[in-house]
Amino acid sequence: EVQLVESGGGLVQPGGSLRLSCAASGFTFSSYWMSWVRQAPGKGLEWVANIDQDGGEKYSLDSVKGRFTISRDNAKSSLYLQMSSLRAEDTAVYYCARDVSGDYWGQGTLVTVSS
Amino acid sequence: QSVLTQPPSASGTPGQRVTISCSGSSSNLGSNYVYWYQQLPRTAPKLLIYRNDQRPSGVPDRFSGSKSGTSASLAIRGLRSEDEADYYCAAWDDSLSGFVFGAGTKVTVL
Repeated sequence: EVQLVESGGGLVQPGGSLRLSCAASGFTFSSYWMSWVRQAPGKGLEWVANIDQDGGEKYSLDSVKGRFTISRDNAKSSLYLQMSSLRAEDTAVYYCARDVSGDYWGQGTLVTVSS
Repeated sequence: QSVLTQPPSASGTPGQRVTISCSGSSSNLGSNYVYWYQQLPRTAPKLLIYRNDQRPSGVPDRFSGSKSGTSASLAIRGLRSEDEADYYCAAWDDSLSGFVFGAGTKVTVL
C-alpha cells in the first residue's frame, strides 16, 4: 500500500525557516517524480514544487523561488521542502504527492506563519 | 486569478448528471494532459481522472473526463450524496514551467 506521511509543520514567525519531510513507503520511491502542493485555509490547491527521480530536475512556483528548496533522499525514501524567509501568505497545509500528477497524496502538514 | 478557469459551484439532485468545465490556454490544456481531483471535506485530494480521460483503479465509472483543445470537462453520472466535494482540474503549463490548478468547483447534491 502506498503511503506518504508528511511531518515538520508548525508555527513559525515571519522570516523564519522550516523543513518539511515526507516519508514514502509501499512503492519504489526512486522511480517517481515527487511534488509538494499546498492549500491555504479555505482556499484551493496550489502547486509548490516538484523534483525528478534523481533530484537533477526541479521546478517551483515563482513566488517561492529563492526561498523554498525541494530535495529528496532516495536511500531514505524521503522527500523534503526546505522553506526560508517565510511569509504570512505561506500559511497552508502542505501535501506531499507522488508523481507530477499526484496519484497518491499524504494527509498534509500545517504550516502557520504568524508573529 | 487561476490560470485554469472553473465554475465556483455546480449542483444536482441524486441520480442526475453534473458537468464541470475547465478552460485554459495553448500552454496548458492545449498541449498537455488534464487531471481532475476530488477533495472531500477535511480530507486530502484524491486523483479522479488522469491523462484527460483515464480513471485510476477504484474510481467508479460514473466519473468521466474529456478534453478538446483548450477546454476540458468532468462529468459525474448518477450523482450521489457522497459526491459532494470540491473538484479541481490541473495541468502542466509550458510557459510557467509549473503545474497549475483551477480554483475548484464545489459540487452540492440537493
